[in-house]
Formats: sequence, C-alpha cells, structure tokens
Amino acid sequence: GNSVTQMEGPVTLSEEAFLTINCTYTATGYPSLFWYVQYPGEGLQLLLKATKADDKGSNKGFEATYRKETTSFHLEKGSVQVSDSAVYFCALSGPGGYQKVTFGTGTKLQVIP
Amino acid sequence: GAVVSQHPSRVICKSGTSVKIECRSLDFQATTMFWYRQFPKQSLMLMATSNEGSKATYEQGVEKDKFLINHASLTLSTLTVTSAHPEDSSFYICSARDPDRDVSNEQFFGPGTRLTVL
Repeated sequence: GNSVTQMEGPVTLSEEAFLTINCTYTATGYPSLFWYVQYPGEGLQLLLKATKADDKGSNKGFEATYRKETTSFHLEKGSVQVSDSAVYFCALSGPGGYQKVTFGTGTKLQVIP
Repeated sequence: GAVVSQHPSRVICKSGTSVKIECRSLDFQATTMFWYRQFPKQSLMLMATSNEGSKATYEQGVEKDKFLINHASLTLSTLTVTSAHPEDSSFYICSARDPDRDVSNEQFFGPGTRLTVL
C-alpha cells in the first residue's frame, strides 16, 4: 500500500535560515504529492502540490520537486520567518478517481526570532 | 473557491451523550467527503469516506455504530459520535474533493472540530 515517511521534528530554526523537510514515499504508479500546513488549532491548508515526475510545486517561498527516481518530495524554503512556525504534512494520493490521501506523521517547525 | 466549513468548531459534552458535527462544501458539490481524526501531536487518521446518497466506507478498526456518517446532500456530510466517552475526545477534520477542479485528488479541508468529552 501507499505510505509516506517524513523527518521527525521538531525542527527549530532561526529566522532567515534555510529549511529542508525530507519526505519520501511508497506508491504504485504515479501518485499526486502534496504538502499541507497546519497552524495551531486549525485545519489543514494546501501549501503546494505536484502531479507528475519532475514537477516543482511552489507557494509562499516554499518549493518541492517530485522526484520519481528517489521517490522523494522534499520541502524547502530559502529564508524562514517566524510566521512559518506550524506543522507540515507530506501526503500523497493515488492517481485517478476518489483516492484516499495518505499522510506522513507531520513535522513541527518552530522559527525563533 | 473550494471552501469547506465545519460546525461547531468546539464542543464540550458529557459522557454518554451524542454529538453531531457538520461538514459543508460552500462553493462546490462534493459527492465524496472524508472524515479524519487527529490526536495531539499526531498525524491525521482517516476514519471513513462519506459518499452522497449511499453508505459510508469505514476504515479498519473504526466502529461504524459509534461514528455515524450521513451524506444526505452534495454539500453536507455529518458525523455523529454516539454515546461519547472521554477517549473520543479529539480533533475531527473533514475534507472534500472538488471533482470539477482538477485530477490531482487535492482535498480541501475544513477547519476542524475540537471535541472534549467530560
């Protein structure tokens, strides 16, 4: 079955530091890949997505590239801000139809001034 | 577009009572909605897939008689926690997919409902 593995947190960075949160996956075929962000006490918001190999999703300075050869979808940001403090979930969904979304365990990011 | 709402955002109830949580797609029709449960500092666990006009599909280990799901219209799904107990206290999140939007299976999430059972 499908699975997502992401690095355990928490990750603590100083403001303006470079961020990488690793995510690898196991799936058949070509799933769609997502990063969701959850701020304290709130639901999930889609941060970015990629639907095929070599696609790069980007939003709000965050980027992730769909790497089929390494089955990875690492999240990066060049300069984090305090407002980026949240929990980040890597996820995938199988191709076609009403497929379930499989989530990673989440990585808490704390950015300190 | 693609907004999902949940009501209530927070609910506190006594042990043994039932609680209903509503999930609405505000600007699109969702033939399928999903219900998740999230424990503190943990990931989301899919409880069930809610299908408009038919029975929900429950994940293994989820008690269908305890967590009643009704998807009576294309914009509304409800989750009723029956005879709630303290161990049912959790954060419940629903999501929906907009079939007219794209084929990536992106799901749009509600803001969640915090249930506390005393």
